[in-house]
Amino acid sequence: QTVVTQEPSFSVSPGETVTFTCGLSSGSVSTNYYPSWYQQTPGQAPRTLIYSTNTRSSGVPDRFSGSILGNKAALTIRGAQADDESDYYCVLYMGSGISVFGGGTKLTVL
Amino acid sequence: QVQLQESGPGLVKPSQTLSLTCTVSGGSISSGSYYWSWIRQPAGKGLEYIGRIYTSGHTNYNPSLNSRVTMSVDTSKNQFSLKLTSVTAADTAVYYCARVARGVSSYLHDHFDLWGQGTLVTVSS
Repeated sequence: QTVVTQEPSFSVSPGETVTFTCGLSSGSVSTNYYPSWYQQTPGQAPRTLIYSTNTRSSGVPDRFSGSILGNKAALTIRGAQADDESDYYCVLYMGSGISVFGGGTKLTVL
Repeated sequence: QVQLQESGPGLVKPSQTLSLTCTVSGGSISSGSYYWSWIRQPAGKGLEYIGRIYTSGHTNYNPSLNSRVTMSVDTSKNQFSLKLTSVTAADTAVYYCARVARGVSSYLHDHFDLWGQGTLVTVSS
């Protein structure tokens, strides 16, 4: 069974840059997995941030960017702000209509 | 502006069938090229993909839930639905409906671009 891996948590100070990653339990992540990223604050529905590896969804600030770093997908937040404190999920598309969520990364801004 | 809204019973008894509907407003479920999906999230845990349906009725289901899931679409009502049979406490979660869109330079529907607000379903006797 395919497992999509993410760091469980990250802490960052306001104004700093943070990068989360999204990997596979077996194998490397490439653009062919069409990685996407979602932000979720407690009690709210997820919000789409990034799709197709590095395309920002409408209205998403350019502080958020997506990429492939080594063998993983990555989400970078430049100049972290207090309201960036959320859970962040990556999704990899496995083909045949199957998408797999990572376990999520909880970001604390303090 | 297209919006999604989940509806259905908030409480289901163990071994029974969970049934939810997602209503699409502000646009036609048949316009554009989208799949329509269900995703769930147990309290305090991560998101889990359940499956998706196209307006033609074509479906893809998470293999781990495949034997218990059925999705359907009613274009006349601008709705799509989820049925999950033989539920247990492990199926207690917030259930989201979401729209699945094509990516950039891709013919694949590979990401979720619009979400409903979610509805809590509790499985308990």
